[in-house]
Amino acid sequence: QKEVEQDPGPLSVPEGAIVSLNCTYSNSAFQYFMWYRQYSRKGPELLMYTYSSGNKEDGRFTAQVDKSSKYISLFIRDSQPSDSATYLCAMSALGYSSASKIIFGSGTRLSIRP
Amino acid sequence: DAGVTQSPTHLIKTRGQHVTLRCSPISGHKSVSWYQQVLGQGPQFIFQYYEKEERGRGNFPDRFSARQFPNYSSELNVNALLLGDSALYLCASSFSGETEAFFGQGTRLTVV
Repeated sequence: QKEVEQDPGPLSVPEGAIVSLNCTYSNSAFQYFMWYRQYSRKGPELLMYTYSSGNKEDGRFTAQVDKSSKYISLFIRDSQPSDSATYLCAMSALGYSSASKIIFGSGTRLSIRP
Repeated sequence: DAGVTQSPTHLIKTRGQHVTLRCSPISGHKSVSWYQQVLGQGPQFIFQYYEKEERGRGNFPDRFSARQFPNYSSELNVNALLLGDSALYLCASSFSGETEAFFGQGTRLTVV
């Protein structure tokens, strides 16, 4: 079983819809949770970075972490065609002054239809 | 400010050859990590360096090695290339090794 599970999609939604992306994980030591967006043949771009449980909002993006269920989510409001990309969830058990080995999900391919 | 820069962007090598990939972190960042991303998968951790010292190593063979220079730039070296080493190699930069890491555009390595 992988440490981080993510539905690979593809997920296709109409422009303006609310998108929900999710990951589950098995390592209860994970404390840092991230979402990256990756366009085709480019490097991942950090979208959201959260510590422990709770919600974090940044513009049209909201990240949720539920450590009790080992489940994280990313919501995208008012989705745009430019949001079409692969979304990678990522997490780490360690932080400052330690090896920051980030474990990634396999990514969900998202397509926003105009 | 410039982000993380990697060179070269693309590379084609033959099996058995050696390759060196280079990374310059964001100005002020002292930690560099290397990841391998195979098509259709998420990046996998190879190495992390902080202040020129290795902080962590992933599950990769000894053919993979890296180092960090006094200016915090880094090199990833891979010896005796295999077809399976074909991937996008990503460099990530962070201030002191904490997990808020920023990635470069990657070097796409093709081994033929």
